[in-house]
Amino acid sequence: EPEVTQTPSHQVTQMGQEVILRCVPISNHLYFYWYRQILGQKVEFLVSFYNNEISEKSEIFDDQFSVERPDGSNFTLKIRSTKLEDSAMYFCASSVSGGLATEAFFGQGTRLTVV
Amino acid sequence: AQKVTQAQTEISVVEKEDVTLDCVYETRDTTYYLFWYKQPPSGELVFLIRRNSFDEQNEISGRYSWNFQKSTSSFNFTITASQVVDSAVYFCALSEADGRSQGNLIFGKGTKLSVKP
Repeated sequence: EPEVTQTPSHQVTQMGQEVILRCVPISNHLYFYWYRQILGQKVEFLVSFYNNEISEKSEIFDDQFSVERPDGSNFTLKIRSTKLEDSAMYFCASSVSGGLATEAFFGQGTRLTVV
Repeated sequence: AQKVTQAQTEISVVEKEDVTLDCVYETRDTTYYLFWYKQPPSGELVFLIRRNSFDEQNEISGRYSWNFQKSTSSFNFTITASQVVDSAVYFCALSEADGRSQGNLIFGKGTKLSVKP
C-alpha cells in the first residue's frame, strides 16, 4: 500500500542551526502539506503546496520556514534558524486533490528536538 | 474560539466496554467536511472517516460508528466492545471553505483513550 515516508524519524539539533525535514509523498498525489504537533498538543496546519508553489500557509509559517519540491519525489521543510519552541513532531501529508474533501495521507512524522 | 472542541482530554475504559468520543465543531460555512484520525503510540496519524456536511446519515464500520448531528454541531465517535489495540489519541478535524482553504485540516486537541485489559 502506498504511503508517505518521512526522514529522519527523529532529529536533534542545536538552537540556531538549520534543519531540513524530508518527505516523499505518495507518487500520484499533487497536493502536499506540513503540519506540526507540539508534544501533547493538537496538530496544527503549517503550509500547503501545489504546482510548485505555496497555496496556503498559517500564521505559524513565518520567514524562518520554507518548503521546496527539489525533484519529482521529495518535499522538504526547512527551518532556517531553529528555536527551542520549534521542538515538535512534524507531519508531512499528501493528497490526490485539494479542497474540502481532501483525504490527506500522513507520514509517520519527524520528531524534532531543539536543544 | 476553538473551531473543533474535544472536551474529553483522557478516557480510560476496560476492554469490551463501549466508549464514545465527543467532538463539537464551529463553522459558518454550509459546506464543510469532518474527519476523525487515530494516533497510536507509534505516532502516525491514521485516517478513520470523512463526512460531508450534507450527509447526516450515521455510519458504522465494524466496531466503529459515527453520529453526525448538525443541529448540535457534533460528530461523535463510538467504539463498541473496545480492545487494548484501540488505545490511542483520537483527533476530530474540520475542513471548511473560507475562501482560501485548500483543504487544510483544523484539528481538535485530541482525546487520549486508554483501554485496559
